Amino acid sequence: DTAVSQTPKYLVTQMGNDKSIKCEQNLGHDTMYWYKQDSKKFLKIMFSYNNKELIINETVPNRFSPKSPDKAHLNLHINSLELGDSAVYFCASSQDLFTSGGSFSYNEQFFGPGTRLTVL
Amino acid sequence: SQQGEEDPQALSIQEGENATMNCSYKTSINNLQWYRQNSGRGLVHLILIRSNEREKHSGRLRVTLDTSKKSSSLLITASRAADTASYFCATDAGEWGAQKLVFGQGTRLTINP
Repeated sequence: DTAVSQTPKYLVTQMGNDKSIKCEQNLGHDTMYWYKQDSKKFLKIMFSYNNKELIINETVPNRFSPKSPDKAHLNLHINSLELGDSAVYFCASSQDLFTSGGSFSYNEQFFGPGTRLTVL
Repeated sequence: SQQGEEDPQALSIQEGENATMNCSYKTSINNLQWYRQNSGRGLVHLILIRSNEREKHSGRLRVTLDTSKKSSSLLITASRAADTASYFCATDAGEWGAQKLVFGQGTRLTINP
């Protein structure tokens, strides 16, 4: 069974178009993420959601709009695509813990297979 | 700015040899994680080491953490062709309630048969 799935795997589109990438996790995790990996393999967080609530928005252009209909899904909609949006987009999920001392402790993150977006 | 930076950026060794990759970071952390990414695939978690731990083992993997030097190393012993991949360290960052993992740029490891 696939833990974190993304569709589509490849997306080729023209500049100016609007596109969506879907992500689903069947792990029962509370937190989901979107990352962008550029051509130099640098992986940068874009958004994180915890129980359908936006937690992190990492100064991403407002052309990018995440939507979480339930805690198992986090979709990414991109308006007015630009050449610089070409990259691999990864969805991930995790079950994060708060320790008894009040500090936050990360567990491992489970990544989807990625969506390679090419803007022409 | 990047929190974790891996060194070297690329490493090529013969099968059976040991591979060592290093990661340096800038701010204090709660834990540090190592991930592997095979070509064209998503990242896979390898090991997590907490700030109060100095060393951790998992099969052929050995991770060390030196919080005084803000550095970590990943050792893969008896390397195999299947270990060819990019390896990333990730550290936690951000404020309480809005924590995130910050990834380095990775070390590309090639195991030659």
